[in-house]
Amino acid sequence: ETGVTQSPTHLIKTRGQQVTLRCSSQSGHNTVSWYQQALGQGPQFIFQYYREEENGRGNFPPRFSGLQFPNYSSELNVNALELDDSALYLCASSLQAGGGSFGYTFGSGTRLTVV
Amino acid sequence: QKEVEQDPGPLSVPEGAIVSLNCTYSNSAFQYFMWYRQYSRKGPELLMYTYSSGNKEDGRFTAQVDKSSKYISLFIRDSQPSDSATYLCAMSPPNNAGNMLTFGGGTRLMVKP
Repeated sequence: ETGVTQSPTHLIKTRGQQVTLRCSSQSGHNTVSWYQQALGQGPQFIFQYYREEENGRGNFPPRFSGLQFPNYSSELNVNALELDDSALYLCASSLQAGGGSFGYTFGSGTRLTVV
Repeated sequence: QKEVEQDPGPLSVPEGAIVSLNCTYSNSAFQYFMWYRQYSRKGPELLMYTYSSGNKEDGRFTAQVDKSSKYISLFIRDSQPSDSATYLCAMSPPNNAGNMLTFGGGTRLMVKP
């Protein structure tokens, strides 16, 4: 299977609820990153996972958490949802080797609306 | 002030025009520079990446980096209606080469037939 797939594509949640978003990495990729893209803005880095460990984190509170599984798929969990969490959540996978990686492959994202 | 600034547009050009897209940045540690294209309801797609200063050409696309001015550009020659999309610049420092990107806000481009 090629490409990065994310589920669900759309989601509506109520303020205060919890949400889990899922991502299947591109075949052969060992690193997954999550980004938040508010409407009309560029993506903002949330965190990255490499070999099931968090490998870097952006300026997001602890209620944003993640997991990477042995098959390199990943989850993004957000607790205590706020209205400002409404955004497109993008998953990107890459092959990290040596000093870094390029060629992020992004999924099409999950559109989360918090009401 | 944001680390990476990009004019949001929209930028409207006729088919066949040369398009110039630009970003400025404030973090002198950035060494890797990328351009992504994002169609509506899709994830970003990597177009070009460059390391440090200089030019890079790939088909109709040319990326330029001027680190002394903290300014990067993407030129699109012979623009086509299919180039209509949002263009995002992205950058990272060398200690996480290509990872943990800092994006600009994106420029929306419309190429009219």
